[in-house]
Amino acid sequence: SQTIHQWPATLVQPVGSPLSLECTVEGTSNPNLYWYRQAAGRGLQLLFYSVGIGQISSEVPQNLSASRPQDRQFILSSKKLLLSDSGFYLCAWVPSLSRQDTQYFGPGTRLTVL
Amino acid sequence: AQKVTQAQTEISVVEKEDVTLDCVYETRDTTYYLFWYKQPPSGELVFLIRRNSFDEQNEISGRYSWNFQKSTSSFNFTITASQVVDSAVYFCALISLLTGGGNKLTFGTGTQLKVEL
Repeated sequence: SQTIHQWPATLVQPVGSPLSLECTVEGTSNPNLYWYRQAAGRGLQLLFYSVGIGQISSEVPQNLSASRPQDRQFILSSKKLLLSDSGFYLCAWVPSLSRQDTQYFGPGTRLTVL
Repeated sequence: AQKVTQAQTEISVVEKEDVTLDCVYETRDTTYYLFWYKQPPSGELVFLIRRNSFDEQNEISGRYSWNFQKSTSSFNFTITASQVVDSAVYFCALISLLTGGGNKLTFGTGTQLKVEL
């Protein structure tokens, strides 16, 4: 069966520090991968998505970036965190390129920027 | 543009009451898919159901049921005999295609359900 992992679970970082969040998927090949952010107040916003290794698309301009160095690994990064980057970051995957396939979410990373 | 509206920000019920969560959507697509997700306090989004625009039959899964009506662009979710474990934020979502491939979920703002003893 397929499993999605996110690391770390929680993170407290000072403003201006770098960031690296990792998402890995097991049990599937060539998934579509997504990064969402949920700010306080609960709305979910798509940040990045990837349809293959090295292929990254950005939905919203941010001081964040994403990379996909391996088929089942998706990384969210920042060189300098802002207070507004605080939130709950969720990674999701879809098993194929089919339009109707369900997105399955990881456990999330709660980021607090102080 | 896709839009999902969940007008109920928060609902409180007493255990064993029935509760309906409303979802209204907007899309220009003739074929589309709707979803409900549950977000318990732990934060993980749990998939509950997917429904395509061609299937208007209501669906029941245990205490959960869904009422899809294209005429009113609604996809409402009912929990029968609610339990404390149902306390969570529930999101309705609509899928759309991304130009680079894959799909994108447009979420409603969620409804916080509190079930009390």
